[in-house]
Amino acid sequence: GAVVSQHPSRVICKSGTSVKIECRSLDFQATTMFWYRQFPKKSLMLMATSNEGSKATYEQGVEKDKFLINHASLTLSTLTVTSAHPEDSSFYICSARGTSNEQFFGPGTRLTVL
Amino acid sequence: KQEVTQIPAALSVPEGENLVLNCSFTDSAIYNLQWFRQDPGKGLTSLLLIQSSQREQTSGRLNASLDKSSGRSTLYIAVSQPGDSATYLCAVSFGNEKLTFGTGTRLTIIP
Repeated sequence: GAVVSQHPSRVICKSGTSVKIECRSLDFQATTMFWYRQFPKKSLMLMATSNEGSKATYEQGVEKDKFLINHASLTLSTLTVTSAHPEDSSFYICSARGTSNEQFFGPGTRLTVL
Repeated sequence: KQEVTQIPAALSVPEGENLVLNCSFTDSAIYNLQWFRQDPGKGLTSLLLIQSSQREQTSGRLNASLDKSSGRSTLYIAVSQPGDSATYLCAVSFGNEKLTFGTGTRLTIIP
């Protein structure tokens, strides 16, 4: 099956710093990638949808200047959490979709902001 | 508003029993529906994908059904095993590319 990786799997940073999370589709080309956020014992909430070569579409309530998304190639999308604060601590999961309509999910990145 | 609901939030079942997880959605105009498994602190593993034109999909001990008219899907797990313990998430694509997730059912199989 299709494989999606995320890096890093876990990151701890100080408040005010920026953190970049990478999402890669390893064995297929992903025309669309999605970024989700998941709070403890809660379900996934879509943050934004990114298409290769174009600007991301953010969900209502998600600050685009806070969560910068770049989808520079068909196999890589990045999410940068700028000026992170403790309330940004969460589990961030990406997914990638190729020619089929099925989304394949990465293993997630646990962000802890001190 | 398009919503996906999963009840119960948690379920405990003795090993070896068959069980059914439920998912309901508010809009019958769906594109597809997926069932996922999530282990604690991990990402999602896709279990089954049902297109809107299909009524069920099977993979091993898992069978997922879809009834658009009633806005329901079920995930049937046969002969449950302790390794089946996880949170099961239902997600619906309502005619666009986005997935709307349910809140999940946390399943515990008791050895």
